[in-house]
Amino acid sequence: EAQVTQNPRYLITVTGKKLTVTCSQNMNHEYMSWYRQDPGLGLRQIYYSMNVEVTDKGDVPEGYKVSRKEKRNFPLILESPSPNQTSLYFCASSLSTPNTEAFFGQGTRLTVV
Amino acid sequence: AQKVTQAQTEISVVEKEDVTLDCVYETRDTTYYLFWYKQPPSGELVFLIRRNSFDEQNEISGRYSWNFQKSTSSFNFTITASQVVDSAVYFCALSEASYMDSNYQLIWGAGTKLIIKP
Repeated sequence: EAQVTQNPRYLITVTGKKLTVTCSQNMNHEYMSWYRQDPGLGLRQIYYSMNVEVTDKGDVPEGYKVSRKEKRNFPLILESPSPNQTSLYFCASSLSTPNTEAFFGQGTRLTVV
Repeated sequence: AQKVTQAQTEISVVEKEDVTLDCVYETRDTTYYLFWYKQPPSGELVFLIRRNSFDEQNEISGRYSWNFQKSTSSFNFTITASQVVDSAVYFCALSEASYMDSNYQLIWGAGTKLIIKP
C-alpha cells in the first residue's frame, strides 16, 4: 500500500530536549516536505527536499532541521524544542515537485511543555 | 508573491443544502497549479483535485464541483446536496514550482471549516 508513515503520532516533551519525528514514504517520490498546522494559519511549510541531499527552507524553518540521506526518509529534528513549537506536524511526499498530488502522513501532535 | 486566501473561516449549513467554499489566489506566473484538500475530523489530509492554469474547464465529481476562473483568480469549490460526512476543514493550495526560478513551495490557504448539521 502506497503510504507516508510518520512517527510518533503523539509526543509530549519538555523544553530543550532534542527530538526527531520520522517520516518515510514507499512511493519512490522525489519531493518531500514538512508542514506545521496551527489554528487559523493553515499549513505552513517548514522545510522541503527535492531529492536526496537536496533540502531547502520553507516559510517557517527556525528551530528545525531536516536531512535527506535516503530517498524514502525525511526526518524532522528539533534540536531544542520550545513551547511555540507545539503544533500538529505533517510530512508529505509528491512524485517530483509540489505541482503534483501530495500524499500526507497521519500527522504528529507535538506538545512542548 | 504567492498567496492563497480563504476568506470564509467557518460555514455552517443544514444537510442537503448546497454550499460553496471560496478560494482566491495571487501569483505572478502564467503556469501554476491549484489544489483542494479535505481534512475530516480524524485529522488526515485527503487530496480532492488538482487543476493547472491552462485548463479552465469546470470539473464535476459526484456532488463536488470546482469553478476555476482566471479572470478573478478564483478556484471555488461547491458541494451539492451536502451531507454530514462532508463536515471537515477544506484547504485550497497553490503551486508554481519551476526549475527556472527554483521555487518549489506549495502555498496553503488558512482553510474553511465546514459544518453540516443533520
